[in-house]
Amino acid sequence: DIQMTQSPSSLSASVGDRVTLICRASQGISSDLAWYQQKPGKAPKLLIYAASTLQSGVPSRFSGSGSGTDFALTISSLQPEDVASYYCQKYNSAPLTFGGGTKVEIK
Amino acid sequence: EVQLLESGGDLVQPGGSLRLSCAASGFTFSTCAMSWVRQAPGRGLEWVSTVTNGGASTYYADSVKGRFTISRDNSKNTLYLQMNSLRAEDTAAYYCAKGGTYSTTWYDYWGQGTLVTVSS
Repeated sequence: DIQMTQSPSSLSASVGDRVTLICRASQGISSDLAWYQQKPGKAPKLLIYAASTLQSGVPSRFSGSGSGTDFALTISSLQPEDVASYYCQKYNSAPLTFGGGTKVEIK
Repeated sequence: EVQLLESGGDLVQPGGSLRLSCAASGFTFSTCAMSWVRQAPGRGLEWVSTVTNGGASTYYADSVKGRFTISRDNSKNTLYLQMNSLRAEDTAAYYCAKGGTYSTTWYDYWGQGTLVTVSS
């Protein structure tokens, strides 16, 4: 089975900073990757699908890139409301594995 | 407005059984693959199972294969997860998630979750 590895596991940055989260697949998955945001006590929310397509209603400061095995989620200007955990998920085939997550905090 | 409302979570003893339900509304349920995703306390997301739009095909994580059964009733717009031989490590919030037409897609809507606790 393909493993999904996210880094870092947590980060702390200042408001307005550019933040990049990494997701790596153990084998190529083309662009079959989604990113989700989960705030404490809430259900996950879809941010990005097909590696780089922004879900409707998601702020444009979020962007996704990559294909094959290496992917990134970038927040161009970190806002207080972006404090959350972020998960990548591959969906090219079952099992639809999630990465371990990155927790983003404000410095 | 798309809504997914899970129910059925409870405290159950190890070895016991439980059936979760997810009532869907606001979209054409019969055209979408549906999944269950769980999250143990303080842990990350874990994909559990997916059923295709018509119910003909099902997929399971190795951790639940042979113990859990996913099903759906398109006439009732409802997704189910029958959980048998429950273990302490099955303790988690269980989320219902809406996929697309294909069996393997991203999840554009999630329910609020229902809590399953396995403990004696």
